[in-house]
Amino acid sequence: GNSVTQMEGPVTLSEEAFLTINCTYTATGYPSLFWYVQYPGEGLQLLLKATKADDKGSNKGFEATYRKETTSFHLEKGSVQVSDSAVYFCALNDAGKSTFGDGTTLTVKP
Amino acid sequence: GAGVSQSPRYKVTKRGQDVALRCDPISGHVSLYWYRQALGQGPEFLTYFNYEAQQDKSGLPNDRFSAERPEGSISTLTIQRTEQRDSAMYRCASSLGTSGRGTGELFFGEGSRLTVL
Repeated sequence: GNSVTQMEGPVTLSEEAFLTINCTYTATGYPSLFWYVQYPGEGLQLLLKATKADDKGSNKGFEATYRKETTSFHLEKGSVQVSDSAVYFCALNDAGKSTFGDGTTLTVKP
Repeated sequence: GAGVSQSPRYKVTKRGQDVALRCDPISGHVSLYWYRQALGQGPEFLTYFNYEAQQDKSGLPNDRFSAERPEGSISTLTIQRTEQRDSAMYRCASSLGTSGRGTGELFFGEGSRLTVL
């Protein structure tokens, strides 16, 4: 079956530091890939997505590139802010069904 | 409504009681999904619908769990004879499309937290 493995947390960074959260996947088909974010006290919301190999999704300064050869979709941001503190979930969608990783908690300190 | 709405937000029940969790998706969204999320883990797929048809219920843990979406809009997830291990956050999500690459973006509600004593 399909699965998503993401970097274990928690991750603690200082403001303006560089962020990478690793995500790899296994899928039987050719999935679309997503990063969702959950801010404290809120539900999950889409951060960015990529639908085919070599596509780059980007939003709010975050980026991730669909790497089919390494089955990866790592999340990056060049300079994090305190407001980026949240739980980040990597996910894939294959034939209408989404599978999620276990989430990585990011805390950014001023 | 503007977003996915779930009720109740919090439910505390005694072991052995039945519970019903409700989800009102974004108007016009074809697909509706139910997920369960334990603390510190990602959402775990339970079941999903396209319109009123249940497409996949492979994630339902056992026959105490059932879901319906009779008119292709509001959905109810029912857990019969609840057990303590059923305690979790239950999340509903909806999406515009049905399948294929280029679709699959989910819009989540805020969840229903179930506690079984």
